[in-house]
Amino acid sequence: DIQMTQSPSSLSASVGDRVTITCRASQRISNYLAWFQQKPGKAPKSLIYAASSLQSGVPSKFSGSGSGTDFTLTISSLQSEDSATYYCQQYNDYPWTFGQGTKVEIK
Amino acid sequence: QVQLVDSGGGVVQPGRSLRLSCAASGFIFNNYAMNWVRQAPGKGLEWVAVISYDGGNKYYADSVKGRFTISRDNSQNTVYLQMNSLRAEDTALYYCVKGGAAPGLPVDYWGQGTLVTVSS
Repeated sequence: DIQMTQSPSSLSASVGDRVTITCRASQRISNYLAWFQQKPGKAPKSLIYAASSLQSGVPSKFSGSGSGTDFTLTISSLQSEDSATYYCQQYNDYPWTFGQGTKVEIK
Repeated sequence: QVQLVDSGGGVVQPGRSLRLSCAASGFIFNNYAMNWVRQAPGKGLEWVAVISYDGGNKYYADSVKGRFTISRDNSQNTVYLQMNSLRAEDTALYYCVKGGAAPGLPVDYWGQGTLVTVSS
């Protein structure tokens, strides 16, 4: 199985900060990488697919990059509503696997 | 708009069975693969199973292979997860998730989840 490792596991940042989360795959997955946002008590929301394509309706402050084994999710200007846990997921091969999550908190 | 309504969760004893359902609306159901993803209390996300648009292809996580069966009824716009031989470690919130037009394409919409608790 492909292992997905996110870093950091948690972070605290101020409103307006630029935030970057990293996701590393244990083997090459081309660009078959998605990002999800989950707020407490809510279902996850799809943000990005194909490493860098925004899902419909997702604000442009979210961006993704990477290919192969190393990927990043960037929030360009952090707002209070962005407080959530973020997960990466590979869909290059079954079984699909998720990273362990990165909890983003507002200072 | 796309809606996925998960149901069928509950409290069940170890070794027993449960069937989850997901009623879909707002898109052409028989054009899309469907997935189940679960989340144990306080833990991360775990993909469970996928079924192709026509039910012809199915894939499972190793942790549920041989115990869980995914199926769909395109006439009812519903996907199911039959869970047999349940274990304590199957306790989780189970989400139905809409896939792409083929099993290898990314997911987009998620249901609200249905809670399964396996306990004696």
